[in-house]
Amino acid sequence: GAVVSQHPSRVICKSGTSVKIECRSLDFQATTMFWYRQFPKQSLMLMATSNEGSKATYEQGVEKDKFLINHASLTLSTLTVASAHPEDSSFYICSASVPLTESSYNSPLHFGNGTRLTVT
Amino acid sequence: AQSVAQPEDQVNVAEGNPLTVKCTYSVSGNPYLFWYVQYPNRGLQFLLKYITGDNLVKGSYGFEAEFNKSQTSFHLKKPSALVSDSALYFCAVRRVNSGGYQKVTFGTGTKLQVIP
Repeated sequence: GAVVSQHPSRVICKSGTSVKIECRSLDFQATTMFWYRQFPKQSLMLMATSNEGSKATYEQGVEKDKFLINHASLTLSTLTVASAHPEDSSFYICSASVPLTESSYNSPLHFGNGTRLTVT
Repeated sequence: AQSVAQPEDQVNVAEGNPLTVKCTYSVSGNPYLFWYVQYPNRGLQFLLKYITGDNLVKGSYGFEAEFNKSQTSFHLKKPSALVSDSALYFCAVRRVNSGGYQKVTFGTGTKLQVIP
């Protein structure tokens, strides 16, 4: 159980195009989804937190007009990289959380398999 | 504020030897602590979590972690390393506020290399 599907797994695009990445929770409802960017030296950078039906909360330094996040339903969140440039090339990972109650505060996050974006 | 420190970028261990991957944390309130593993070009997989009252937590693939409140540590351990354990390991801490908003902070990751 608790499967998160992220699509596509890899994408190569030309500079200036927009790329959409989907993150779906397949067998549970995810009230909160997180988007991360992973750099070559392995660290995970939280980009934004999205809650179903509301605007995403972006971390400091992340351009909300460039990285558009939509969490339209309890099972789907999308990240659109607008007008991608080579410096946006990276590994993007989403994760999803079940609704938290006092009894589930220690429930783990569930991660998608990531999307390798290469902008040429 | 909350933070997680993984002081070692890489840990090398011989196959069959015990391994330890270190993690220390800082968080207000009760700590909700986790370990995740990442294989190349994949997302993170849950390994284990801290449950209140059990200082030694057992998880997947023979891994365990020891919670030490006084040292604010949650080190990952395994009695006998396998070559297939070679991967990237992340420690994480979750904080939940009264409004149910959660923030999860990850350490910088430790690359485990098990040498045959």
